[in-house]
This record gives sequence, C-alpha cells and structure tokens, in this order.
Amino acid sequence: AQSVTQLDSQVPVFEEAPVELRCNYSSSVSVYLFWYVQYPNQGLQLLLKYLSGSTLVESINGFEAEFNKSQTSFHLRKPSVHISDTAEYFCAVTPSGSARQLTFGSGTQLTVLP
Amino acid sequence: GAGVSQSPSNKVTEKGKDVELRCDPISGHTALYWYRQSLGQGLEFLIYFQGNSAPDKSGLPSDRFSAERTGGSVSTLTIQRTQQEDSAVYLCASSSTSGGFSEQYFGPGTRLTVT
Repeated sequence: AQSVTQLDSQVPVFEEAPVELRCNYSSSVSVYLFWYVQYPNQGLQLLLKYLSGSTLVESINGFEAEFNKSQTSFHLRKPSVHISDTAEYFCAVTPSGSARQLTFGSGTQLTVLP
Repeated sequence: GAGVSQSPSNKVTEKGKDVELRCDPISGHTALYWYRQSLGQGLEFLIYFQGNSAPDKSGLPSDRFSAERTGGSVSTLTIQRTQQEDSAVYLCASSSTSGGFSEQYFGPGTRLTVT
C-alpha cells in the first residue's frame, strides 16, 4: 500500500515570490508520482508527473518537481508565482508499471496574494 | 474530443434515499475510476474498472455503495440508503491503457448533499 503526506494544508504567498509545496510518500514498491491542480470550481488537472529518467520534471506553466528517492519526496516548486496560480494542489502516487488507482495526499491550498 | 462528463453536477437528497451518479468516460478509454472528495477525508479511491475484468472494489466504504459499467463505457455509482457522511464530491476519471502508465482524465464531479 502507498500513502502520501502533504505537510502544509495552506500556503499563502505574495505574487512573484517563490513557493515550495511539500510532498512525501511511503511505498513498499516503486511508484509513479504526480502533482494535480484543482482551480476554483474546476476539475482536477494533471500538472506534472515523474515516471522514470530525469528526477527533475517540469510543467508548461513554470512549475517543477524533483523526485528524491532517498528522502521519498516529490516537492513542487515555482520560482515566481502569479495570482492565477491560486488553486489546490494534490500530490499523488500509483505503483509503477500499472494503471491502478491513485493515492492522493490531503492537498495544499496555495493562495497568491497581490 | 469530449472529456469525461458526469451527471448530475449537483444532487441534493434526503437521508435514507438512494442516488445514482453517472459517468461518461472519454471514448475508447478502457479504464474507469471513481473517487470521492470530502472535507474530512480528502480524495479517496472507491472503485476501478478495467475492460472486461472484475472491478477492484477495495475502496468502497460500505455495502451501500455499488457501481456498474455497462458495455465497457458508461458507469453508474449507486449509493443506497444515503447517510449525511456520504455528502461529498464524487469524481470519475478514465484512462486509455490497461498496462503501463496512462494519464487519468478527471470529470468535473457530482456534488452530493445529503440532508
């Protein structure tokens, strides 16, 4: 079984400041890792994923996440946030090599302040 | 093409009534998932269908919950004798492959309120 911990339920940050949303996981098998974003009144969208290869993965809107196997972490970072980044962010895992269900963290509400 | 659709978008029901929630996956997607998003529990897996295989029901919280997938496409999640703790947003997702990785595409959800 897998579990995901998102240590911060709420992260307020000023516009153009950097941000890091933390995610740690636990699993007895190798996993694929994901960050999903849920904008207000919208559905879940995949932001970025780690399957294999380079441990640093990037999204098209400037977010990046680094898979750290020794620390079992997959923290999400952005060097300069925008008001439009305000959303809830969910870290998720699934056993690698499978199309099984996702195990989600409890979510982090990112609020970007003007 | 069209994404995952769910209906109704909102449902208010009285405690003890049965409800049916519908999910239309992306055409051609063989895998379909139901999740529940609630304030106290976050995002929880409920049930997973893959092609014609027996579904993985390991996430269903009680025997009041059941789901069907007809013809490998549309799915219906049924909750019998609803309770107030069933109030949540029910999300459906679909993906295209049976092995390896394929992104799960989520629908907008059905917000269920049990009064």
